Amino acid sequence: DGGITQSPKYLFRKEGQNVTLSCEQNLNHDAMYWYRQDPGQGLRLIYYSQIVNDFQKGDIAEGYSVSREKKESFPLTVTSAQKNPTAFYLCASSIQAGGLNEQFFGPGTRLTVL
Amino acid sequence: ELKVEQNPLFLSMQEGKNYTIYCNYSTTSDRLYWYRQDPGKSLESLFVLLSNGAVKQEGRLMASLDTKARLSTLHITAAVHDLSATYFCAVAMEYGNKLVFGAGTILRVKS
Repeated sequence: DGGITQSPKYLFRKEGQNVTLSCEQNLNHDAMYWYRQDPGQGLRLIYYSQIVNDFQKGDIAEGYSVSREKKESFPLTVTSAQKNPTAFYLCASSIQAGGLNEQFFGPGTRLTVL
Repeated sequence: ELKVEQNPLFLSMQEGKNYTIYCNYSTTSDRLYWYRQDPGKSLESLFVLLSNGAVKQEGRLMASLDTKARLSTLHITAAVHDLSATYFCAVAMEYGNKLVFGAGTILRVKS
């Protein structure tokens, strides 16, 4: 079955720690995205990548880092510089070319800072 | 800068009633998406609207797009409890694949 997987589902972090959230897709999509969702709010774009070995900052990139070494994978690191990382993190992917460019979402990772 | 505004942000409906959710956006775009999110879950794609006058229907939900007015609507017909969820519209930036999301509309359908 084609789809997007994210792990872990729940993640707890101590103050000052870096943590990495995994996102993998087997849809053969070129573009991948990371969003943050806070309670009662919409999604805000953290980083996105349109092609392997290339990525761009979104609207709230400070305190986060990404890599895109493989087409299937787009891990997100939440660094200790991110002041308020507790949130629901969603990864998405889309076909680069074509008219729809519909984004498909993974199940999400809920990160809590202790 | 593209801004997307949804209203209402919270909607409590009786079963069987009709209602409309509105999505306004501030700059030119050629693509608009509607998503559904159940509590604690991911986003599920409902509709993709690509052109002015586009109308899509699935079950009790119908979405439309007016690019001249920069407005999309999501109309709910004869609401049922299963439609309770949060609904988001998302608008594509004119160039590229970035989406800007509205704040979401929390829909609660009461029996």
